[in-house]
Amino acid sequence: GAGVSQTPSNKVTEKGKYVELRCDPISGHTALYWYRQSLGQGPEFLIYFQGTGAADDSGLPNDRFFAVRPEGSVSTLKIQRTERGDSAVYLCASSYLRTGELFFGEGSRLTVL
Amino acid sequence: GENVEQHPSTLSVQEGDSAVIKCTYSDSASNYFPWYKQELGKRPQLIIDIRSNVGEKKDQRIAVTLNKTAKHFSLHITETQPEDSAVYFCAAISPLGNQFYFGTGTSLTVIP
Repeated sequence: GAGVSQTPSNKVTEKGKYVELRCDPISGHTALYWYRQSLGQGPEFLIYFQGTGAADDSGLPNDRFFAVRPEGSVSTLKIQRTERGDSAVYLCASSYLRTGELFFGEGSRLTVL
Repeated sequence: GENVEQHPSTLSVQEGDSAVIKCTYSDSASNYFPWYKQELGKRPQLIIDIRSNVGEKKDQRIAVTLNKTAKHFSLHITETQPEDSAVYFCAAISPLGNQFYFGTGTSLTVIP
């Protein structure tokens, strides 16, 4: 596709459930980022991939959060034992260069009841 | 790590007036400063960016200025229009770092 694609666009789940959020970056972009955005806040860094490897996962809040990018393209953010505080919009972004323009997806809005 | 602060958090201007949003950063190694516009329920989109080897950059009604010594940069929108209403985020990244650090955003309202 022409842009960064994220699915699902909306996810409502119950506390304690497992959730997967998918990101399909722009073709050829080796850098991929996951950010989390709460209402009225700026994007908060979670994890950065360069190719297949997680180059920086220092933003993951705890061990319930994990992300993979096995083939260097599509990435999946996985959240175990979801908590109400995990409710936010999860944004994925890709970039051709690490310090180049970030192209964001529309985000996945996660609501944990 | 980097700390980016953004002011004001909200800004209302009359159509046709100018709007200025300011950001400061803490890491003197940061060298790339993009500005993103996010309309309600939409993705952030890059509107202008500046690198540290440049002091000012302009694109039609939008300009960004950078003061490396003071570690601050500003977004200037002239002749504002209602469609400029959105949340604007500044960001900074260091060549030594792996993440873009975003400000907390400025909600701009242009009153017709």
